[in-house]
Amino acid sequence: DQQVKQNSPSLSVQEGRISILNCDYTNSMFDYFLWYKKYPAEGPTFLISISSIKDKNEDGRFTVFLNKSAKHLSLHIVPSQPGDSAVYFCAASITGNQFYFGTGTSLTVIP
Amino acid sequence: GAVVSQHPSWVICKSGTSVKIECRSLDFQATTMFWYRQFPKQSLMLMATSNEGSKATYEQGVEKDKFLINHASLTLSTLTVTSAHPEDSSFYICSALPYNEQFFGPGTRLTVL
Repeated sequence: DQQVKQNSPSLSVQEGRISILNCDYTNSMFDYFLWYKKYPAEGPTFLISISSIKDKNEDGRFTVFLNKSAKHLSLHIVPSQPGDSAVYFCAASITGNQFYFGTGTSLTVIP
Repeated sequence: GAVVSQHPSWVICKSGTSVKIECRSLDFQATTMFWYRQFPKQSLMLMATSNEGSKATYEQGVEKDKFLINHASLTLSTLTVTSAHPEDSSFYICSALPYNEQFFGPGTRLTVL
């Protein structure tokens, strides 16, 4: 059973605009969430994280929002750049142990 | 950040042979490492958790006799795909968990002819 879901398999955004990637989870025990970026034939690289005690974490162009009541998190990329085109995975964990990944959203930033 | 390396990055082998993939933590000690498999257009699938000095914990549906994991030191875990078949062709990724963040190796692409 998929505990972490990314319901949009793909997303296209114009360069300079905002990209919003969404992620939903079912386990209320998850207390740590991460976003990974993955290029083809490479391992996913860590992008940004947030713990359940926060509702927002920002790092440069990347901001992650967490809505615990809705069991929803999102990744905002502003402004989007062509180099951001990749597959983005969200992941959730309990106490930072094993991570449960979503199925990924393929982002295409159009120049 | 922490660095995790994998070797080899690409391997092609004949059906029936065994292939060993190494996962190393370069600048930290990892008592726990994870092995993932990626199918095309799908998310990473956790195969097993590798524990230094003890047996690996396999996820449901993963054959432990097929995918042998050895975590002999704090910086090295190995995954051996025994008697590989074409259906084992995939992208295998390891990761480690220092500082409460998971860092992934670059992956190993296995192609079984």
